[in-house]
Amino acid sequence: DIVMTQGVLPNPVPSGESASITCRSSKSLVYKDGKTYLNWFLQRPGQSPQLLTYWMSTRASGVSDRFSGSGSGTYFTLKISRVRAEDAGVYYCQQVREYPLTFGSGTKLEIK
Amino acid sequence: QVQLQQSGTELVKPASSVKISCKASGYTFTSNYMHWIRQQPGNGLEWIGWIYPGNGNTKYNQKFDGKATLTADKSSSTAYMQLSSLTSEDSAVYFCAVTIAANFDYWGQGVMVTVSS
Repeated sequence: DIVMTQGVLPNPVPSGESASITCRSSKSLVYKDGKTYLNWFLQRPGQSPQLLTYWMSTRASGVSDRFSGSGSGTYFTLKISRVRAEDAGVYYCQQVREYPLTFGSGTKLEIK
Repeated sequence: QVQLQQSGTELVKPASSVKISCKASGYTFTSNYMHWIRQQPGNGLEWIGWIYPGNGNTKYNQKFDGKATLTADKSSSTAYMQLSSLTSEDSAVYFCAVTIAANFDYWGQGVMVTVSS
């Protein structure tokens, strides 16, 4: 199975600052079509996860341009610019490159 | 708009089975993959498998082989997951999520299953 390892944030992050969440995969997530099969989700307290980005850097419909995904085949970053209170929660990366699909353990973001 | 409405909280006994549902609306139910995901208390997310309601094809995470069975009823646009031989380890919130424009782009609200005698 592909193991997804997420970094820890130095919480809390002051409102208005930027935050970068990292994720590493045990195998390249680049498929033969050239796309990188990496998703980012935000799960706010008491809510279902929400898709933020897919194919590593494509924002999902309705997602603020303050969220941007980047990376290589095995190392990925989700950058959140000008953080707001509503950005608080747990962020998960997920690989959809091969089965079984696997998630990282989550990175908690707290806002000050 | 796309909606996934899941069934209510379940309290079930060890060694029993439970069947939870996910009623879809706002899109073509038969043309999109429906995934199921487990979240144990205080833990992260685990992918259980998917079903393609159009033809009933399924794909499971090997970890859940024999534990979860995915089905779908086209007439009511409802996906189901049955969990069998329940133990305390199966106590969790279970989500359904559909792939429409992108993988996992819409999620149900989750169903809490508690296994206790």
